[in-house]
Amino acid sequence: EDQVTQSPEALRLQEGESSSLNCSYTVSGLRGLFWYRQDPGKGPEFLFTLYSAGEEKEKERLKATLTKKESFLHITAPKPEDSATYLCAVQAGAGNMLTFGGGTRLMVKP
Amino acid sequence: KAGVTQTPRYLIKTRGQQVTLSCSPISGHRSVSWYQQTPGQGLQFLFEYFSETQRNKGNFPGRFSGRQFSNSRSEMNVSTLELGDSALYLCASSVRVDGELFFGEGSRLTVL
Repeated sequence: EDQVTQSPEALRLQEGESSSLNCSYTVSGLRGLFWYRQDPGKGPEFLFTLYSAGEEKEKERLKATLTKKESFLHITAPKPEDSATYLCAVQAGAGNMLTFGGGTRLMVKP
Repeated sequence: KAGVTQTPRYLIKTRGQQVTLSCSPISGHRSVSWYQQTPGQGLQFLFEYFSETQRNKGNFPGRFSGRQFSNSRSEMNVSTLELGDSALYLCASSVRVDGELFFGEGSRLTVL
């Protein structure tokens, strides 16, 4: 059974204080690892897809990396508008089914 | 380009009733998936459709069902509602069966 664990569950940062969010996974036949951002009361917003170990992708202050066992979402010099829940999900087997982690709730204070 | 549209956004039902939720995917997307999100269980996969065929089904009871129409629009139905069905129901669409999923804003169901 595919499993995804995210840590920490919650993270408080001061504006400008860089940090990393972790996503550990156990899956047979990983086809893709996805990162989403979710604001309260809204649907998840797609950020990145990573397909193979060693791959990295960047978008503004966010950088996602992937190893064979985990993925990291690095946030550089965060701003209050980066406050949200960040979700990690894996895609394995046939079809589009995603298995999600529990998320990391990020709070950035000015 | 319009995103995934879900209707209704909010609804309140009582136990034993049934509910139908609707999803219009992004234009050109033929794959539609449904997820349930609750504070305790997080995001859980319900089912996935492609070209009107159900390709995958999650571990939910038979009270949960869905379908997809020829224009790729999808509906899901929950019969004999229980209190535990209160959740945010999210629809996501994708261009292909193994592509990125783009989510709608969700339908928030409250069962009293």
